[in-house]
Amino acid sequence: EIVLTQSPGTLSLSPGEGATLSCRASQTVSTTYLAWYQQKPGRAPRLLIYGPSTRATGVPDRFRGSGSGTDFTLTISRLEPEDFAVYYCQQYGSSPPITFGQGTRLEIK
Amino acid sequence: EVQLVESGGGLVQPGRSLRLSCTASGFTFADYAMGWFRQAPGKGLEWVSFIRSRAYGGTTEYAASVKGRFTISRDDSRGIAYLQMNSLKTEDTALYYCTRLRVYYYMDVWGKGTTVTVSS
Repeated sequence: EIVLTQSPGTLSLSPGEGATLSCRASQTVSTTYLAWYQQKPGRAPRLLIYGPSTRATGVPDRFRGSGSGTDFTLTISRLEPEDFAVYYCQQYGSSPPITFGQGTRLEIK
Repeated sequence: EVQLVESGGGLVQPGRSLRLSCTASGFTFADYAMGWFRQAPGKGLEWVSFIRSRAYGGTTEYAASVKGRFTISRDDSRGIAYLQMNSLKTEDTALYYCTRLRVYYYMDVWGKGTTVTVSS
């Protein structure tokens, strides 16, 4: 089983600052099968990034995904108030096919 | 508009069954794999099951925690995905989301979810 570990658990920043969220896998993940989601309270997750650097439809270009192998990063430049949420990375592999990281909470400082 | 709407959640006693439905609209349902995910209160996201499209054999996958108890199926003619949940346990209590899966197994469309509470 591929375990995804996200860090930090909580990130406290101010609007206008940049954020760097990390997702580390216990085994190599094919870059094609790595995605990031944003979830706001009381809402369903929203696909942000897949593949691992392609932005989903409607996602602002201040969101950027990067990485390969076992280390992946979601970078958010110039934080907007609506960016404060929980972020999950997700991979597709084998047994079990789909796993998520535990999430990073991005909160307003 | 591409949309998924879940239904069928509710309060059920341990050991009983429940069937969730996911009604799709705005896209060609038969062309996509469909999945179920869940989120226990205050917890993270957990994959439950998915079913591939007929073009990919219509095969199914299950998380170890539900294998043998849950069954996913689809009705392409009606655009509905189902999750039959048997032998429910208290740890199955969660908000259940239906999703559309893309080729590389990321989920680009999510429903709003339906709540399942397993309690005596």
